[in-house]
Amino acid sequence: AQKVTQAQTEISVVEKEDVTLDCVYETRDTTYYLFWYKQPPSGELVFLIRRNSFDEQNEISGRYSWNFQKSTSSFNFTITASQVVDSAVYFCALSEMYSGAGSYQLTFGKGTKLSVIP
Amino acid sequence: GAVVSQHPSRVICKSGTSVKIECRSLDFQATTMFWYRQFPKQSLMLMATSNEGSKATYEQGVEKDKFLINHASLTLSTLTVTSAHPEDSSFYICSAHRLAGGKTADTQYFGPGTRLTVL
Repeated sequence: AQKVTQAQTEISVVEKEDVTLDCVYETRDTTYYLFWYKQPPSGELVFLIRRNSFDEQNEISGRYSWNFQKSTSSFNFTITASQVVDSAVYFCALSEMYSGAGSYQLTFGKGTKLSVIP
Repeated sequence: GAVVSQHPSRVICKSGTSVKIECRSLDFQATTMFWYRQFPKQSLMLMATSNEGSKATYEQGVEKDKFLINHASLTLSTLTVTSAHPEDSSFYICSAHRLAGGKTADTQYFGPGTRLTVL
């Protein structure tokens, strides 16, 4: 069974501070995908990143960076110089790589609500 | 790319009526779409997996006769809430699985959601 844990329920930071959102996962699959999605107050889930289990390179996209460590089963997300527009609920998710019917299903964490205070 | 639309965005209906929600992948084909339900301040709960041209697969505890899913084409899936009751009030979100596309392949893209209120 797969499981994603986002231990931080809510985080508040002051604008321009850096913030890291933690994600720890469990899976018996040897190949899998990890995702981060952002859900602003409007409700739509916005795709941020997909990472393959065999690619442990960290990734940076503007103010966003992701640290994938297979040894600790973690896929943490850092926002540098946070802005008010970053305020949202962030979900970490896991899926196995395609191997048959139902393989595309996502296992979501419970989400971390980030509030950036001006 | 990878845009998913959902219609309507908000619907209010009387108890006992049926409501249809459409989910469309606008710029890619999706053989698989998913329907989720989200309660306030909670994570997404998968209701069913919709495969084009075949019957949907429902998660345990989801009434298939109440939540009818049809995936008639590679770009459209519909969820019909039949004989809606106040307890069906929720935020319903669809997603479409994009199979091909390099770094964005094997990724679910989500619609903007439908807020259903049953009076």
